[in-house]
Amino acid sequence: DSGVTQTPKHLITATGQRVTLRCSPRSGDLSVYWYQQSLDQGLQFLIQYYNGEERAKGNILERFSAQQFPDLHSELNLSSLELGDSALYFCASSGTGPPSTDTQYFGPGTRLTVL
Amino acid sequence: DQQVKQNSPSLSVQEGRISILNCDYTNSMFDYFLWYKKYPAEGPTFLISISSIKDKNEDGRFTVFLNKSAKHLSLHIVPSQPGDSAVYFCAAMDQGAQKLVFGQGTRLTINP
Repeated sequence: DSGVTQTPKHLITATGQRVTLRCSPRSGDLSVYWYQQSLDQGLQFLIQYYNGEERAKGNILERFSAQQFPDLHSELNLSSLELGDSALYFCASSGTGPPSTDTQYFGPGTRLTVL
Repeated sequence: DQQVKQNSPSLSVQEGRISILNCDYTNSMFDYFLWYKKYPAEGPTFLISISSIKDKNEDGRFTVFLNKSAKHLSLHIVPSQPGDSAVYFCAAMDQGAQKLVFGQGTRLTINP
């Protein structure tokens, strides 16, 4: 158990809908990262937050947004969902902010299926 | 543009033998490299890392080798055990950019 929790575990929804994925980092970790893993692909970095502020951005679509709240949990919002958004979404956390080689600890992921 | 590549989608190794997983990268700005292991229905778990100032890092049965001139790293597992069966992801970071870039993963199967 990495100490990172993600809810829900599974999510099935229809095209055009909006969903929110939630992540609680390890106790004391200030950084939260979101990754997307599509079928047979590596993990694609989406976005990083550090202590409530956006710190790094990857290939995140404009239809996706994220935020980190004062209690350090984070939410990833996916809107106008398309079939291609079906994927595993992982959250990771680490202790410190950039620049840092602090180990990222991953949650179990949320499997999103868009029908 | 795949900056980190794991060209072998799968690898099968006999228990007790050496497993060698390979990874190539293209971005010369990468200065920190990691290996993660992933079991089904779980998130990736950190295994071992290496800074670009080193060419080898060892942790128990796991050793990572870095060849900067070839932009290549490898993970050696000796001896391989059935519990090592998992998907292994290579990842690289440009510490200035603070983004981890992952390879596609290699599924390692250890046969008894």
